[in-house]
Amino acid sequence: DAGVIQSPRHEVTEMGQEVTLRCKPISGHDYLFWYRQTMMRGLELLIYFNNNVPIDDSGMPEDRFSAKMPNASFSTLKIQPSEPRDSAVYFCASRVLGLGRNTEAFFGQGTRLTVV
Amino acid sequence: DQQVKQNSPSLSVQEGRISILNCDYTNSMFDYFLWYKKYPAEGPTFLISISSIKDKNEDGRFTVFLNKSAKHLSLHIVPSQPGDSAVYFCAALDTPLVFGKGTRLSVIA
Repeated sequence: DAGVIQSPRHEVTEMGQEVTLRCKPISGHDYLFWYRQTMMRGLELLIYFNNNVPIDDSGMPEDRFSAKMPNASFSTLKIQPSEPRDSAVYFCASRVLGLGRNTEAFFGQGTRLTVV
Repeated sequence: DQQVKQNSPSLSVQEGRISILNCDYTNSMFDYFLWYKKYPAEGPTFLISISSIKDKNEDGRFTVFLNKSAKHLSLHIVPSQPGDSAVYFCAALDTPLVFGKGTRLSVIA
């Protein structure tokens, strides 16, 4: 498997524009997580899905942020309108929860978002 | 309030010496912990884990120690190598993983 795939790797956009980040999880994984990395907060969870259903979106900073998972192989994180303070690296991760097994999450390479 | 804390933002160690990265947690229900390593421009990658039924887990140069009574774990790297220079995240296994803010390790040749 190619691992978790995120696109684009880099995104530069102007304030007020819509930004869409994409993620393809590892096949067979039933959990998908969106994290954001900043200097101040480290890796903070934004939202996660189980079997394509959003479970906890309490980490989404504002209504400007939304995420979807229309099927098991694709998820999007959208910011509309974008603001400079949204500039960060956004990571997608996936994980399979085996019966009685503790398993790690696998991360994509991230999308570096810069809002100017 | 942060449930997983890494109080040292950075650490510098000479090549060949021991690196010790520390992590504290507040939730006594956590029973499995992981360390991730992150290089610039890459995603975090899993390094080593430990279950609460153990107090030590070793994998080559990497050893993680868990002190449940103190709610503290540490990652030891011996000997440290320049390629170990990265940001290390401590995480508690929950759904989702709960991460600390990370410690940037610099191994100086």
